[in-house]
Parts: sequence; C-alpha cells; structure tokens
Amino acid sequence: EVQLVQSGTEMKKPGESLRISCQASGYRFSNNWIGWVRQMPGKGLEWMGLIFPGDSDTRVSPSFEGQVTMSVDKSINTAYLQWSSLKASDTAIYFCARRSLSARNFDSWGQGTLVTVSS
Amino acid sequence: QSELTQPPSLSGAPGQRVIISCTGSTSNIGAGYDVHWYQQFPGVAPKLLIYANTNRPSGVPDRFSGSKSGTSASLAISGLQAEDEADYYCQSSDSSLGLLFGGGTKLTVL
Repeated sequence: EVQLVQSGTEMKKPGESLRISCQASGYRFSNNWIGWVRQMPGKGLEWMGLIFPGDSDTRVSPSFEGQVTMSVDKSINTAYLQWSSLKASDTAIYFCARRSLSARNFDSWGQGTLVTVSS
Repeated sequence: QSELTQPPSLSGAPGQRVIISCTGSTSNIGAGYDVHWYQQFPGVAPKLLIYANTNRPSGVPDRFSGSKSGTSASLAISGLQAEDEADYYCQSSDSSLGLLFGGGTKLTVL
C-alpha cells in the first residue's frame, strides 16, 4: 500500500526557517515525482512544485519561485519542503502527493502539515 | 484567480445529477492536457476521483464520471448522496505554468 506520511504541525515566528518532510512507503520512491501543494486557510489547492527523487530534478511553479526549496533523501525515502525566512502569509496546510507514472495527476496524498506563522 | 475556472458553489437534492465545470484555455486544457478531478472533505487530504479526463480509480463509484471537450472539462455526479457533500477540484497542466488546479467547487447536498 502506497503511503505518504508527513511531519507534524509547526508553529513558527516570522523570519524563522522551517523544513517539513514527507516519507514515502509502499513503492519505489525514485520512480515517481513528488509534488507539493499549498492550501491556505479556507482557500483552494495551489501547486507549488515537483521533485523527482531519482535525480532531484525540480519543477517550480512561477508563483513559488524563490520562495521555497524542495529536496529529497533517497536513503530514507523522504521529500522535504523548506523555507529560509517564513512570512505570516506562509500560514497554510502543505500536502505532499505522488504523481502517477501514467498521467500528470496525483494518485496518493500525504495527510498534510499545518504550518502557522505568527508573531 | 486560477487559470482553471470552476463555479465556487453548487447544490443539488439527493438523487439529482449535478455537473461541475472546469473552464481553461488553449494553453492548458485546449492544448490537449488531461484533466483530473479530486474530492476533498474538510480537514483531510484530497482524493483522486477521476484521472485522464474519464477514468475512475479503483473504488470510486460509477456515479462519478468525467468528460472533456475543447478548452473545458466536466465532472458529473449522478444519484447525488449526502456523502457527496465536499469540495471538488479540477487539475490540468499548462504549457507555461506547469500544473494547475481549479479554484474549487463547494458542493452542497440539500
């Protein structure tokens, strides 16, 4: 069974750094792109970017270029999303999701990580 | 404002058929990219409902169906049930922007 398990809720102050994680199991991690999706409070889904664990190739949405960094550690089947300096507007739930091999959809999702940024 | 336009809300009575539209452009849906649909209940992750325009993953009831034509796509839900009350999102790709989600449609079962 494919599973994506994300790290827990984070409460941070503006200007702080943060890295959240997404650990995959149940399939060959290197074979599928992992996507990150933001959902701000009461709002819709926004695609942030994709990373291919096989070679760390990344695709970033123009809306998030320069705002976040994606990375992976293949040795522990884990993808990361990182901020160097958080803003209050980064408050959101962040989902990781596995992209299907056959289509450009997300066929499995993590449970989401709530990030709250407040002074 | 998303490049994929969905009605913000829709409602229907139990047993009715509702259709959720997803309107794009010649740089995304109209360029031949597939459309996928997700269902999301409050507080939980989205779930894939329809992939590649018309296909249902295993376990999704056949009351849910998808279609695509030109620069638009649609999700139809027949025999509406109370448990279908959720948010629905379309997703596609864009030649310039990468992946796209629609703004989402909140479906209310009356």
